[in-house]
Amino acid sequence: GAVVSQHPSRVICKSGTSVKIECRSLDFQATTMFWYRQFPKQSLMLMATSNEGSKATYEQGVEKDKFLINHASLTLSTLTVTSAHPEDSSFYICSAPTWEGKDGYTFGSGTRLTVV
Amino acid sequence: DQQVKQNSPSLSVQEGRISILNCDYTNSMFDYFLWYKKYPAEGPTFLISISSIKDKNEDGRFTVFLNKSAKHLSLHIVPSQPGDSAVYFCAASLTTDSWGKFQFGAGTQVVVTP
Repeated sequence: GAVVSQHPSRVICKSGTSVKIECRSLDFQATTMFWYRQFPKQSLMLMATSNEGSKATYEQGVEKDKFLINHASLTLSTLTVTSAHPEDSSFYICSAPTWEGKDGYTFGSGTRLTVV
Repeated sequence: DQQVKQNSPSLSVQEGRISILNCDYTNSMFDYFLWYKKYPAEGPTFLISISSIKDKNEDGRFTVFLNKSAKHLSLHIVPSQPGDSAVYFCAASLTTDSWGKFQFGAGTQVVVTP
């Protein structure tokens, strides 16, 4: 079945540095990728929608200059957390519609970001 | 604004018994619903879905019920097994808006005891 490979699974970075998270679609083309964030004991919250070849659409309250999304190809979408701060520590996960199978979309395995 | 709510943060059930997880939503336009299971440090795993044109969908031990008038759905797991211990999320989507874009509940931690 369709798989989204997400890397890294865990990352620890210092405050002020930038971190890039990659999501690659394997065996299918992801024209759209959804990026979610989950804080402890809270639900997954949609941050932004990336579309191949165009600008990402950000949800209300999400800083587009802080969370840079690039979707330059049909198989790769990246989320870069710029100038990370401890409050950015969270679980980030991507999801892509696969247009096949009973669920039609698949999630990456997630990235646990810790900013120290 | 939390449009999908799971009011029970945790549920403990004995192995072999039924687990019932509940989910409420506020947007009557939602037309597609899912239940996901999530283990720590892993991505969500799809369990079962239901379209708003149905009121029940069954897949093995998992059954999802949808009550559109009450804006409520539930997941039944029968019989519960220790491997079912995980966090369960319900999610809702407005498919005419954007396929694959979901609003998630906060999750219910299920613990199945032997």
